[in-house]
Amino acid sequence: RKEVEQDPGPFNVPEGATVAFNCTYSNSASQSFFWYRQDCRKEPKLLMSVYSSGNEDGRFTAQLNRASQYISLLIRDSKLSDSATYLCVVVDQTGANNLFFGTGTRLTVIP
Amino acid sequence: GAGVSQSPRYKVAKRGQDVALRCDPISGHVSLFWYQQALGQGPEFLTYFQNEAQLDKSGLPSDRFFAERPEGSVSTLKIQRTQQEDSAVYLCASSPRPGQTNEKLFFGSGTQLSVL
Repeated sequence: RKEVEQDPGPFNVPEGATVAFNCTYSNSASQSFFWYRQDCRKEPKLLMSVYSSGNEDGRFTAQLNRASQYISLLIRDSKLSDSATYLCVVVDQTGANNLFFGTGTRLTVIP
Repeated sequence: GAGVSQSPRYKVAKRGQDVALRCDPISGHVSLFWYQQALGQGPEFLTYFQNEAQLDKSGLPSDRFFAERPEGSVSTLKIQRTQQEDSAVYLCASSPRPGQTNEKLFFGSGTQLSVL
Protein backbone atom coordinates (compact mmCIF):
# COMPACT_ATOMS: atom_id res chain seq x y z
CA ARG A 1 0.00 0.00 0.00
CA LYS A 2 1.35 3.41 -0.94
CA GLU A 3 1.98 6.01 1.73
CA VAL A 4 -0.13 8.57 -0.10
CA GLU A 5 -3.05 7.90 -2.42
CA GLN A 6 -4.61 10.38 -4.81
CA ASP A 7 -7.22 10.14 -7.54
CA PRO A 8 -5.14 10.85 -10.67
CA GLY A 9 -8.10 12.40 -12.48
CA PRO A 10 -8.18 14.05 -14.91
CA PHE A 11 -10.65 16.60 -13.62
CA ASN A 12 -12.00 18.76 -16.44
CA VAL A 13 -13.99 21.71 -15.12
CA PRO A 14 -15.33 24.93 -16.66
CA GLU A 15 -13.95 28.31 -15.68
CA GLY A 16 -15.54 29.59 -12.51
CA ALA A 17 -16.32 26.14 -11.14
CA THR A 18 -15.41 24.90 -7.68
CA VAL A 19 -13.36 21.72 -7.58
CA ALA A 20 -12.05 19.61 -4.71
CA PHE A 21 -9.34 16.99 -4.48
CA ASN A 22 -8.79 14.50 -1.71
CA CYS A 23 -5.72 12.62 -0.68
CA THR A 24 -5.42 9.79 1.86
CA TYR A 25 -2.34 8.79 3.81
CA SER A 26 -1.50 5.53 5.54
CA ASN A 27 0.73 6.56 8.44
CA SER A 28 -1.38 7.88 11.28
CA ALA A 29 1.70 9.40 12.92
CA SER A 30 2.33 11.77 10.00
CA GLN A 31 2.51 15.33 11.20
CA SER A 32 3.11 17.61 8.24
CA PHE A 33 1.09 17.93 5.07
CA PHE A 34 1.39 20.07 1.96
CA TRP A 35 -0.01 20.64 -1.48
CA TYR A 36 2.40 21.21 -4.34
CA ARG A 37 1.53 22.26 -7.87
CA GLN A 38 3.32 20.88 -10.91
CA ASP A 39 2.83 22.31 -14.38
CA CYS A 40 3.45 20.10 -17.42
CA ARG A 41 7.16 19.38 -17.81
CA LYS A 42 8.00 21.69 -14.94
CA GLU A 43 9.21 21.19 -11.39
CA PRO A 44 6.85 20.95 -8.39
CA LYS A 45 6.29 24.17 -6.46
CA LEU A 46 4.81 24.58 -3.00
CA LEU A 47 1.19 25.72 -3.16
CA MET A 48 0.30 25.66 0.51
CA SER A 49 0.79 23.91 3.81
CA VAL A 50 -2.12 22.11 5.44
CA TYR A 51 -2.89 22.82 9.08
CA SER A 52 -5.18 20.98 11.47
CA SER A 53 -7.45 23.98 11.72
CA GLY A 54 -7.68 24.32 7.96
CA ASN A 55 -6.23 27.22 6.06
CA GLU A 56 -7.17 29.45 3.20
CA ASP A 57 -5.12 31.34 0.65
CA GLY A 58 -7.30 33.34 -1.69
CA ARG A 59 -9.35 30.91 -3.76
CA PHE A 60 -7.58 27.89 -2.27
CA THR A 61 -8.62 26.13 0.93
CA ALA A 62 -6.79 23.17 2.47
CA GLN A 63 -8.26 20.90 5.13
CA LEU A 64 -6.87 18.07 7.24
CA ASN A 65 -8.97 15.27 8.73
CA ARG A 66 -6.72 13.29 11.07
CA ALA A 67 -9.40 10.83 12.14
CA SER A 68 -9.99 9.72 8.57
CA GLN A 69 -6.41 10.36 7.49
CA TYR A 70 -7.13 12.53 4.51
CA ILE A 71 -6.38 16.02 3.33
CA SER A 72 -8.27 18.05 0.80
CA LEU A 73 -7.76 20.99 -1.50
CA LEU A 74 -10.66 23.16 -2.62
CA ILE A 75 -10.32 25.60 -5.50
CA ARG A 76 -13.07 28.16 -5.93
CA ASP A 77 -13.76 30.22 -9.05
CA SER A 78 -11.37 28.16 -11.18
CA LYS A 79 -9.15 30.02 -13.61
CA LEU A 80 -7.54 28.71 -16.79
CA SER A 81 -4.19 29.23 -15.08
CA ASP A 82 -5.14 26.70 -12.40
CA SER A 83 -4.67 23.90 -14.94
CA ALA A 84 -1.87 21.75 -13.52
CA THR A 85 -1.18 18.60 -11.53
CA TYR A 86 -1.72 18.95 -7.79
CA LEU A 87 0.53 16.80 -5.63
CA CYS A 88 -0.34 15.82 -2.09
CA VAL A 89 2.72 15.59 0.18
CA VAL A 90 2.92 13.90 3.56
CA VAL A 91 5.92 13.95 5.86
CA ASP A 92 6.65 10.69 7.66
CA GLN A 93 8.28 11.64 10.92
CA THR A 94 8.49 8.19 12.45
CA GLY A 95 11.35 6.92 10.35
CA ALA A 96 13.67 8.70 8.03
CA ASN A 97 11.55 11.84 7.83
CA ASN A 98 10.84 11.48 4.18
CA LEU A 99 8.47 13.58 2.19
CA PHE A 100 6.06 11.26 0.40
CA PHE A 101 4.38 12.53 -2.74
CA GLY A 102 1.11 11.29 -4.13
CA THR A 103 0.81 10.53 -7.83
CA GLY A 104 -0.88 13.87 -8.37
CA THR A 105 -4.33 14.89 -9.56
CA ARG A 106 -4.49 16.47 -12.97
CA LEU A 107 -6.81 19.46 -13.36
CA THR A 108 -7.81 21.07 -16.65
CA VAL A 109 -9.91 24.23 -16.53
CA ILE A 110 -11.88 24.68 -19.73
CA PRO A 111 -12.87 28.09 -21.16
CA GLY B 1 19.18 33.03 -11.75
CA ALA B 2 19.38 32.08 -8.11
CA GLY B 3 17.33 28.89 -8.31
CA VAL B 4 18.31 25.22 -8.26
CA SER B 5 20.10 24.34 -11.46
CA GLN B 6 20.29 20.85 -12.93
CA SER B 7 22.25 19.56 -15.88
CA PRO B 8 21.92 18.15 -18.38
CA ARG B 9 18.27 18.96 -19.03
CA TYR B 10 17.94 15.84 -21.18
CA LYS B 11 20.10 12.74 -21.32
CA VAL B 12 19.78 9.80 -23.66
CA ALA B 13 21.82 6.76 -22.69
CA LYS B 14 22.28 3.33 -24.16
CA ARG B 15 21.47 0.49 -21.83
CA GLY B 16 24.54 -0.39 -19.81
CA GLN B 17 26.05 3.08 -20.04
CA ASP B 18 26.98 5.06 -16.92
CA VAL B 19 25.46 8.53 -16.44
CA ALA B 20 26.12 11.44 -14.08
CA LEU B 21 23.49 14.03 -13.26
CA ARG B 22 24.47 17.32 -11.67
CA CYS B 23 22.62 19.54 -9.23
CA ASP B 24 23.60 23.07 -8.19
CA PRO B 25 21.44 23.96 -5.17
CA ILE B 26 20.65 27.47 -4.07
CA SER B 27 23.75 28.93 -2.46
CA GLY B 28 23.84 28.37 1.28
CA HIS B 29 21.10 25.75 1.33
CA VAL B 30 21.91 23.07 3.87
CA SER B 31 19.57 20.34 2.68
CA LEU B 32 19.65 18.66 -0.71
CA PHE B 33 17.32 15.96 -1.96
CA TRP B 34 17.17 13.76 -5.04
CA TYR B 35 13.86 12.43 -6.33
CA GLN B 36 12.92 10.17 -9.23
CA GLN B 37 9.68 10.91 -11.09
CA ALA B 38 8.39 8.36 -13.56
CA LEU B 39 5.81 9.38 -16.15
CA GLY B 40 2.41 9.90 -14.56
CA GLN B 41 3.73 9.40 -11.04
CA GLY B 42 4.67 11.65 -8.18
CA PRO B 43 8.31 12.19 -7.20
CA GLU B 44 9.83 9.28 -5.28
CA PHE B 45 12.50 10.01 -2.67
CA LEU B 46 15.98 8.75 -3.47
CA THR B 47 18.44 10.33 -1.04
CA TYR B 48 19.04 13.26 1.31
CA PHE B 49 22.14 15.28 2.17
CA GLN B 50 22.65 17.66 5.04
CA ASN B 51 25.67 19.66 3.91
CA GLU B 52 28.18 17.03 2.74
CA ALA B 53 26.74 14.22 4.85
CA GLN B 54 24.43 11.73 3.17
CA LEU B 55 22.00 11.11 6.01
CA ASP B 56 19.44 9.03 4.18
CA LYS B 57 19.86 6.89 1.08
CA SER B 58 17.00 4.56 1.75
CA GLY B 59 15.26 5.44 -1.52
CA LEU B 60 18.09 4.49 -3.87
CA PRO B 61 16.61 1.59 -5.85
CA SER B 62 19.80 -0.43 -6.24
CA ASP B 63 23.54 -0.34 -5.74
CA ARG B 64 23.85 1.00 -9.27
CA PHE B 65 22.74 4.37 -7.90
CA PHE B 66 25.26 6.52 -6.08
CA ALA B 67 25.08 10.14 -4.94
CA GLU B 68 27.63 12.49 -3.48
CA ARG B 69 27.95 16.07 -2.30
CA PRO B 70 31.62 16.27 -1.34
CA GLU B 71 31.82 19.97 -0.45
CA GLY B 72 28.30 20.47 0.75
CA SER B 73 27.16 22.37 -2.31
CA VAL B 74 27.03 20.74 -5.78
CA SER B 75 25.71 17.18 -5.85
CA THR B 76 26.06 14.43 -8.42
CA LEU B 77 23.77 11.46 -8.88
CA LYS B 78 25.49 8.65 -10.72
CA ILE B 79 23.75 5.68 -12.25
CA GLN B 80 25.91 2.80 -13.36
CA ARG B 81 24.98 0.27 -16.04
CA THR B 82 21.71 2.04 -16.81
CA GLN B 83 18.60 -0.04 -17.43
CA GLN B 84 15.41 0.89 -19.26
CA GLU B 85 13.52 1.08 -15.97
CA ASP B 86 15.84 3.92 -14.93
CA SER B 87 14.14 6.17 -17.50
CA ALA B 88 12.53 9.00 -15.55
CA VAL B 89 12.91 12.63 -14.60
CA TYR B 90 15.45 13.07 -11.81
CA LEU B 91 14.61 16.06 -9.65
CA CYS B 92 16.92 17.79 -7.24
CA ALA B 93 15.57 20.01 -4.48
CA SER B 94 17.21 22.13 -1.82
CA SER B 95 16.13 23.79 1.38
CA PRO B 96 17.79 26.35 3.63
CA ARG B 97 17.24 24.40 6.84
CA PRO B 98 18.38 20.96 7.99
CA GLY B 99 15.95 18.10 8.27
CA GLN B 100 13.43 16.61 5.93
CA THR B 101 10.34 18.18 7.37
CA ASN B 102 10.73 21.50 5.66
CA GLU B 103 7.67 22.43 3.76
CA LYS B 104 9.35 24.58 1.20
CA LEU B 105 11.57 22.65 -1.11
CA PHE B 106 13.02 24.49 -4.07
CA PHE B 107 13.10 22.14 -7.02
CA GLY B 108 15.28 22.25 -10.09
CA SER B 109 13.77 21.67 -13.53
CA GLY B 110 15.03 18.10 -13.50
CA THR B 111 17.04 15.89 -15.82
CA GLN B 112 14.96 13.73 -18.12
CA LEU B 113 16.83 10.45 -18.59
CA SER B 114 15.87 8.12 -21.40
CA VAL B 115 17.59 4.74 -21.55
CA LEU B 116 17.32 3.02 -24.90
